[in-house]
Amino acid sequence: DGGITQSPKYLFRKEGQNVTLSCEQNLNHDAMYWYRQDPGQGLRLIYYSQIVNDFQKGDIAEGYSVSREKKESFPLTVTSAQKNPTAFYLCASAPGASSYNEQFFGPGTRLTVL
Amino acid sequence: KNQVEQSPQSLIILEGKNCTLQCNYTVSPFSNLRWYKQDTGRGPVSLTIMTFSENTKSNGRYTATLDADTKQSSLHITASQLSDSASYICVVSDPTNAGKSTFGDGTTLTVKP
Repeated sequence: DGGITQSPKYLFRKEGQNVTLSCEQNLNHDAMYWYRQDPGQGLRLIYYSQIVNDFQKGDIAEGYSVSREKKESFPLTVTSAQKNPTAFYLCASAPGASSYNEQFFGPGTRLTVL
Repeated sequence: KNQVEQSPQSLIILEGKNCTLQCNYTVSPFSNLRWYKQDTGRGPVSLTIMTFSENTKSNGRYTATLDADTKQSSLHITASQLSDSASYICVVSDPTNAGKSTFGDGTTLTVKP
């Protein structure tokens, strides 16, 4: 898991509530990513950020929001607009946005909607 | 559309045996291909990376091969151990899509004693 932490490990949410997942890295990486993983499926990109105060939508950004106010932090908010939020969420960071850079993943947060 | 397909979807082998996992991709242009190991409930960890000019890369008992002409890669695991039980994910990147990679669905490997 390197120097990336995610919290909490498990999160339960009632329908209609917004929740925020934390992602912190101490690797001094510029780029950070959020992925969603569903059983038996590959990782899908939600949002990514190449530099502080800038971020771009990934393939499945609807119902999610992010911020990048600090280099080491990239929190993800799952809003009530996300229709099926139950999933395993993974945060990653990389030295830069170049495709040659390895992405280092955090331990993940499992979100369950009750 | 860029795609990465892995086979088999799941595999069960006995401890000590070898196995080979396959990855076919349509990503173009091609930058590099990585194999990740993901233990259940954990984040993926990189095993190998290969660029266009490399056709084999080893990491202990893991050996990855790449045929950029046929857009195929394989991950060979030698003398499997119980700790090899995990999902193995093939990830392909293209140099024009900064930071965005295409992930395969993974192969779930179970090693039994």
